[in-house]
Parts: sequence; C-alpha cells; structure tokens
Amino acid sequence: DTGVSQDPRHKITKRGQNVTFRCDPISEHNRLYWYRQTLGQGPEFLTYFQNEAQLEKSRLLSDRFSAERPKGSFSTLEIQRTEQGDSAMYLCASSLNSPNYGYTFGSGTRLTVV
Amino acid sequence: ELKVEQNPLFLSMQEGKNYTIYCNYSTTSDRLYWYRQDPGKSLESLFVLLSNGAVKQEGRLMASLDTKARLSTLHITAAVHDLSATYFCAVGGNTGGFKTIFGAGTRPFVKA
Repeated sequence: DTGVSQDPRHKITKRGQNVTFRCDPISEHNRLYWYRQTLGQGPEFLTYFQNEAQLEKSRLLSDRFSAERPKGSFSTLEIQRTEQGDSAMYLCASSLNSPNYGYTFGSGTRLTVV
Repeated sequence: ELKVEQNPLFLSMQEGKNYTIYCNYSTTSDRLYWYRQDPGKSLESLFVLLSNGAVKQEGRLMASLDTKARLSTLHITAAVHDLSATYFCAVGGNTGGFKTIFGAGTRPFVKA
C-alpha cells in the first residue's frame, strides 16, 4: 500500500466551472476525511466518512461542495460553480476506526480558481 | 464549538536551544495529536496523546497532555535545522467520529 493518493495534484480552473477531486485512502482504513488548507492556516475540516456513510459535514461548507464515497473505498469531492475563494489545498486523510492513531494524509490537490 | 489555539504562531529558533509550543483548546477532549508539515509537503503524524498526563517522546521532540487545563505542549530540545517545519496540534471533537480540529500551526525557522 502506497499511502493516501490524491488526484490531480494541481488544478487550475476558471471561475464558475465545476471541479472534482479524487482520494484513494489506505485500503484498511474505513474512515476518510476531507480538509481544506489555505496559506498560513491549519487544515479546516470539511467532511468525513465511515465506510460509505458521510457522518458529518462542516456547517461552514457551502452547498456547492459535495462529497461521496461509493462502496466505502475511494472518495470524490466536487465543487460546483467555483469561486476565487475556493482556491486552496484540498487534503484527504484516512484512519483506522480507532482514536489511537493519527490520520494519514495525502499530498493534497492544489486548486487555483482564476 | 471546539476551538484550538497554538502559540507562538511563529518561532525563531537558534540551533542548540530549547523551545516549547503550546496548544490550548476550548472544550473537553481526551484526544490530541501533533503533526509536522514540511514546506510543500503534506502533514505527518508525530504524536497521539489520549489521556491526562500522557507524555510521548521521539528524538528531540516531546509532547504532553493536561486534559484538566486543556493544554498540550510540544517541547523541542536542542533545536537543529532538520526541525525547520510547521507544527500543528489537532484536538478530537466529542461527536464520536474522530473528527479533529486543527490549530493554525507554529512556523519555526532555525538560525545557524
């Protein structure tokens, strides 16, 4: 297992376009998390899944954001009608179903909205 | 709502000296994590602290947790250039889902 994979690594899009990011977690990890990180800030929680169930979504998250995890494996994060304020690094992380371990983060997808 | 504050936000290190990063959080939690992020890289898990009084050490880094004070510290002993990274603490929420809330990070740099 090569860790958490995210694709693409970079995405430049025009304002108003839709984008979709993919995350492949570590195969044994049944929990998957999406965070957003802007320059100089800590990761901001977006949403998380246990298996295929989306258990929590940030109240700060616009309705333009949606995430799925079909079959409890990979996950996708879609942003509709992108805005310049969506420009950030989108991080995916996965973990075992135990608090005894920290998250394993992917390398992130850097989104630039122009 | 759980809030996590780190200080200092910036840390000017001199090689060989000791430093402490503080992480305060606003609501009860018994899960606290420290991560390291190198420039241009993703986050790497350093320590997991799950009980009051827990202490973990790895090399020049030592982390501790005081759940009564809602405070964790990350102590750096005899700083070296390899420690030039951003350190985040993250605190577990109480929703049962292992969601963690991150602090803003402490960005150190090492002066030779």
